[in-house]
Amino acid sequence: DAKTTQPPSMDCAEGRAANLPCNHSTISGNEYVYWYRQIHSQGPQYIIHGLKNNETNEMASLIITEDRKSSTLILPHATLRDTAVYYCIVFNDYKLSFGAGTTVTVRA
Amino acid sequence: DAGVIQSPRHEVTEMGQEVTLRCKPISGHDYLFWYRQTMMRGLELLIYFNNNVPIDDSGMPEDRFSAKMPNASFSTLKIQPSEPRDSAVYFCASSSRRTSGEQYFGPGTRLTVT
Repeated sequence: DAKTTQPPSMDCAEGRAANLPCNHSTISGNEYVYWYRQIHSQGPQYIIHGLKNNETNEMASLIITEDRKSSTLILPHATLRDTAVYYCIVFNDYKLSFGAGTTVTVRA
Repeated sequence: DAGVIQSPRHEVTEMGQEVTLRCKPISGHDYLFWYRQTMMRGLELLIYFNNNVPIDDSGMPEDRFSAKMPNASFSTLKIQPSEPRDSAVYFCASSSRRTSGEQYFGPGTRLTVT
C-alpha cells in the first residue's frame, strides 16, 4: 500500500486559507488520494478525493502534483469549526488506511 | 437520511463479559465496515461486508471478536470475553460502491472494559 506523510500539526488563522500538504511518493497509477477529517469525539468525515486532476467541492480544494507524488488540501476560509485531525489517504481497493494525520488548529 | 446509527454510544463492562455493538448503515449502501480507534494504534479496519457477506476479516484481532450482518440494515460486532485491551472507540461506516473510498461513519461506540 502506498503510504502518506503529513506534518503532525499546523495552526491557521480564522478566515485565512489553510494549506495541508501530503506526500505519497509511492502511489500507483490507479490509486486515488482521499482526504478525511475527524473532529474531536466524532467519526471521520469524508472531504474530497482525486486521481490526477485538481478537484473542488463545497468543503475544500485538492491540488495534486503532475507526478502525483504529493497533494495539498486547501480549506479556503478556515473557521473555528474546521479544527480537526486531517487524514490524507491513498485508497487501495476497499481499504482506507488512516495514518496519524495532521492536527489543524484554527485560531481566532 | 439519519446517517449511520450506532448503539450504544458508551459501554462500560467488566473483563470477561460479552459486549455487543450495533450498527445500522445508511439505507441503500451495500458495504459496511467496522473500525477500531485507539491512541496507540490509531484507526484500524477490522472487517467489512458486501451485501451482508463478510469479505475480509483479516483485521479482526482474535477469535474473541466476531461480526455478523443478518440483513442489509443491521450489523453487530461482538466481543466475548472482553478484555481491558479491547477498550477503544468502535466505528461503523457504510458506502455504496466497493471502489469508492467515500465512506460514511457513525458516531462511534466508546467501549471501556475494566
